[in-house]
Amino acid sequence: EAQVTQNPRYLITVTGKKLTVTCSQNMNHEYMSWYRQDPGLGLRQIYYSMNVEVTDKGDVPEGYKVSRKEKRNFPLILESPSPNQTSLYFCASSPQGYNSNQPQHFGDGTRLSIL
Amino acid sequence: AQKVTQAQTEISVVEKEDVTLDCVYETRDTTYYLFWYKQPPSGELVFLIRRNSFDEQNEISGRYSWNFQKSTSSFNFTITASQVVDSAVYFCALSEPLGGFKTIFGAGTRLFVKA
Repeated sequence: EAQVTQNPRYLITVTGKKLTVTCSQNMNHEYMSWYRQDPGLGLRQIYYSMNVEVTDKGDVPEGYKVSRKEKRNFPLILESPSPNQTSLYFCASSPQGYNSNQPQHFGDGTRLSIL
Repeated sequence: AQKVTQAQTEISVVEKEDVTLDCVYETRDTTYYLFWYKQPPSGELVFLIRRNSFDEQNEISGRYSWNFQKSTSSFNFTITASQVVDSAVYFCALSEPLGGFKTIFGAGTRLFVKA
């Protein structure tokens, strides 16, 4: 089944304790992206990647890191989480190239609570 | 700069009513892509439609229709004869190649359909 898989689905942790949210897709998609969803703000893009070893900042990259060493994986790293990073996070992928833009397939979301 | 405005925060209708969700966008590029996504109460994000800037034809898919007007920078979404299962948050999104396919989402419109 074609899907985007995020782990964990839920996490409660404390300020400053490094964490990684994994994202994996099995559709051989080139484009992957991370978003955070907050009430009243919709989804805001954190980072995106057009292909392996190519990553770019979205609108809210501060406090986050990503890597794209393999096509299928795009982990989101919070080196020193803070309470303002408490949010619902979505990973997404799409098969787009530079001359097209395809809809994104989303994972089920990861709810992070930073105390 | 890119911007997507969904001015309606919440809409409440009674089943079988028609409802239109508004989306107004700003972009500096002549080539861009517009999307609508649905987020039902279960939380997943579901793709509904994609439109590129060169295709102004309106589209109908069952009870759903979309009205794309470049002159007013709007991409409105109408549900005809709404049903309780249409209750969800609906997001409009914009992506443009000039920005490396960074994606901007609107804040979303929460639709309540009452039986």
